[in-house]
Amino acid sequence: EVQLVESGGGLVQPGGSLRLSCAASGFTFSNYEMNWVRQAPGKGLEWLSLIKNSGTTIYYADSVKGRFTISRDDAKNSLYLQMNSLRAEDTALYYCARSQCTSTSCFRDYWGQGTLVTVSS
Amino acid sequence: QSVLTQPPSVSAAPGQKVTISCSGSTSNIGNHYVSWYQQLPGTAPKLLIYDNDKRPSGIPDRFSGSKSGTSATLGITGLQTGDEADYYCGTWDSSLSVYVFGSGTKVTVL
Repeated sequence: EVQLVESGGGLVQPGGSLRLSCAASGFTFSNYEMNWVRQAPGKGLEWLSLIKNSGTTIYYADSVKGRFTISRDDAKNSLYLQMNSLRAEDTALYYCARSQCTSTSCFRDYWGQGTLVTVSS
Repeated sequence: QSVLTQPPSVSAAPGQKVTISCSGSTSNIGNHYVSWYQQLPGTAPKLLIYDNDKRPSGIPDRFSGSKSGTSATLGITGLQTGDEADYYCGTWDSSLSVYVFGSGTKVTVL
């Protein structure tokens, strides 16, 4: 059974840093592209970043580019999101999601339950 | 504002049908496959449709997807109270080099 479990969320002051983790199990983690997606309270989904299974290709949303860094450790079956210079508007539930890539497209087929990040003084 | 536009809400009586539109452009929907996600209250999103019209294992055939040009549509037939949720479309945008979600549509069963 595919499982994605996020951790590392919490309360942080504006300008602070936080590192989120996503522990994967039930599939060969190294074979899959992985994503971070967030959802602010009462708002819609916002895709943040993806890292290809090679680890060498990475994309970011403009809203987090230069502040957030995605990484992976295939030996530990883990995905990470280093978040720096946090702002109040980064307050959200942060999900990791697996991409299933076929010859035609990549779609987010499994999601974790999320970890809550609150940025407030 | 989202790159992909969805109606904020749709509603219908139990057993009826609803459709949710997702409007984009040539850089996203027009040249890439669309996925749809269902988010039940208080839960994580769940993949409902991928590659415009394909259903993952376990998704009932009451849910269907289609795409034409720069728009995609999710259909739900035989509406049930358990279908009350937020629904999001998503696809890659090759101009922005980002994945984009629609603004989301809340389905209410009257």
